[in-house]
Amino acid sequence: SAVISQKPSRDICQRGTSLTIQCQVDSQVTMMFWYRQQPGQSLTLIATANQGSEATYESGFVIDKFPISRPNLTFSTLTVSNMSPEDSSIYLCSVARPAGGGNGEQYFGPGTRLTVT
Amino acid sequence: GQQLNQSPQSMFIQEGEDVSMNCTSSSIFNTWLWYKQDPGEGPVLLIALYKAGELTSNGRLTAQFGITRKDSFLNISASIPSDVGIYFCAGARPYGGATNKLIFGTGTLLAVQP
Repeated sequence: SAVISQKPSRDICQRGTSLTIQCQVDSQVTMMFWYRQQPGQSLTLIATANQGSEATYESGFVIDKFPISRPNLTFSTLTVSNMSPEDSSIYLCSVARPAGGGNGEQYFGPGTRLTVT
Repeated sequence: GQQLNQSPQSMFIQEGEDVSMNCTSSSIFNTWLWYKQDPGEGPVLLIALYKAGELTSNGRLTAQFGITRKDSFLNISASIPSDVGIYFCAGARPYGGATNKLIFGTGTLLAVQP
């Protein structure tokens, strides 16, 4: 597995503002992912963070709303832009193991609990 | 987005009882994974299954990859209070080259009464 940390662990934000969530991994990984978990719900993939290129977004998620950076093989950020109460969720990053992601195993960070008022 | 059908939605059992939950899909997957999520934490990988028909154990946990590649089950034997949490299945399929994309199940909430 990998040791994955996220900052902040939680935040309360006002609508219309933006929040950037950081994800740090203790070793280099090729594939990093960002998920959203709405209250009482399962996990939904937002995008795959690609090192050195633009993120790949899933249907229903757009770069203007969820810009992602991946400056190196151990770090990624997700920004939730122009927030509304509907964005209140847990945001989770994950990494694929083995490093190339071939087997499908993913390991998750502790999550960032976001509340938008 | 797409989710897998997971059942039961919740279970309330006595300590020592066995638990069984399953996950079904209309599509096939290359890998089936089972995760447990505690409150305020990210999901933790419990078991990974890579071949149709594969039966794998991890302590008191046993999981199987369905022959049709469209389903999987997880059994927990002799439950204990720390088994409390939400259990998610996830199926992985190719997604651009060697990358695998995970589709998650709807989750099973397990409560264990001492």
